[in-house]
Amino acid sequence: GNSVTQMEGPVTLSEEAFLTINCTYTATGYPSLFWYVQYPGEGLQLLLKATKADDKGSNKGFEATYRKETTSFHLEKGSVQVSDSAVYFCALWETNAGKSTFGDGTTLTVKP
Amino acid sequence: DGGITQSPKYLFRKEGQNVTLSCEQNLNHDAMYWYRQDPGQGLRLIYYSQIVNDFQKGDIAEGYSVSREKKESFPLTVTSAQKNPTAFYLCASSIGRGYTFGSGTRLTVV
Repeated sequence: GNSVTQMEGPVTLSEEAFLTINCTYTATGYPSLFWYVQYPGEGLQLLLKATKADDKGSNKGFEATYRKETTSFHLEKGSVQVSDSAVYFCALWETNAGKSTFGDGTTLTVKP
Repeated sequence: DGGITQSPKYLFRKEGQNVTLSCEQNLNHDAMYWYRQDPGQGLRLIYYSQIVNDFQKGDIAEGYSVSREKKESFPLTVTSAQKNPTAFYLCASSIGRGYTFGSGTRLTVV
């Protein structure tokens, strides 16, 4: 079956540091890939997405590139802020099933 | 503005009671979903529905029930058969390729 594996957390960084959160997937075909962010006590919000190989999704300074050859969709940001502290979820869309498979989430804490 | 509304935000249940969590969307999305999230954990799928009057069990459906009588609404009932219902419940909708989530309901058994 389909699966998503995320880098284990928690991740703690200083403000302005570079962020990478690794995400790899196993799937049949070519799924769409997503990153969601969850702030404390809230639901998930779509952060960015990519629908085909070599697509780059970007939003709010975050980027991720759909790499078919390595089945990866790593999240990056060049300079994190305290306000980026949240839980980040990688997910793929299972077209045939009409639902998503999520990774376990990675907690990011950014310290001033 | 379109979106998903979950209510209530906080819910307390006595042991042995059934409770119903509300989820309403005005996005005109066909598909709706219920997930459970435990502290420090990922999301686990409870039930989902791709069209009105039809729904499928997810990975942890035992102790839960749903209905989908209207496109806009997908209520979740947590029954007394659910042995450990304390959790954060998230509703989502989709038109395909990704979800829009509600803000969640935190259920606590007292």
